[in-house]
Amino acid sequence: KAGVTQTPRYLIKTRGQQVTLSCSPISGHRSVSWYQQTPGQGLQFLFEYFSETQRNKGNFPGRFSGRQFSNSRSEMNVSTLELGDSALYLCASSLGQGEIYNSPLHFGNGTRLTVT
Amino acid sequence: AQKVTQAQTEISVVEKEDVTLDCVYETRDTTYYLFWYKQPPSGELVFLIRRNSFDEQNEISGRYSWNFQKSTSSFNFTITASQVVDSAVYFCALGIYGGATNKLIFGTGTLLAVQP
Repeated sequence: KAGVTQTPRYLIKTRGQQVTLSCSPISGHRSVSWYQQTPGQGLQFLFEYFSETQRNKGNFPGRFSGRQFSNSRSEMNVSTLELGDSALYLCASSLGQGEIYNSPLHFGNGTRLTVT
Repeated sequence: AQKVTQAQTEISVVEKEDVTLDCVYETRDTTYYLFWYKQPPSGELVFLIRRNSFDEQNEISGRYSWNFQKSTSSFNFTITASQVVDSAVYFCALGIYGGATNKLIFGTGTLLAVQP
């Protein structure tokens, strides 16, 4: 079974630009979450999607947005990039429903975004 | 408020030594989950274990063991006879599942370096 796939692995952008990151969950997983990892703030929850609906959102500005498609694939977008957005962005998937609701999150390798 | 504290920033041991990684959590929820993840240099977060708040049994899996104590709000992780391949950053996380959410609160991680 293929794991969580994130593309691209590396991105270099300039301040003010926007960026879109992609995540394909494990087959059968309907919940997709996004986390930002930085040396200063550690791992922080961005948002979670289930059945194309955002179920929860972390404490990030509106420049950070996401969406989920009918096949459970998800994208996150960051507009008007700032230097502080440089981070490893991790996507995680889980079954996300029913008695198996609390199934563990399975993470991808992440997308490393550098903003110059 | 929910919080996870990993007081040990870095630990260095020599191969075959035993090492314990500490994790202390805070939550007012009565139902919660605790996790340990490993992050090798490749960046992917690898799921190691999940415990729920009603199950305080300690667990052993090969060289790994976990000690969950609700009385002290701790969920410590021990690696017996450490190996160089165990070198990674280890994260403890608290899972909050109030309503319909699937959110993890991570500690700051402990960098484990196992020297040959």
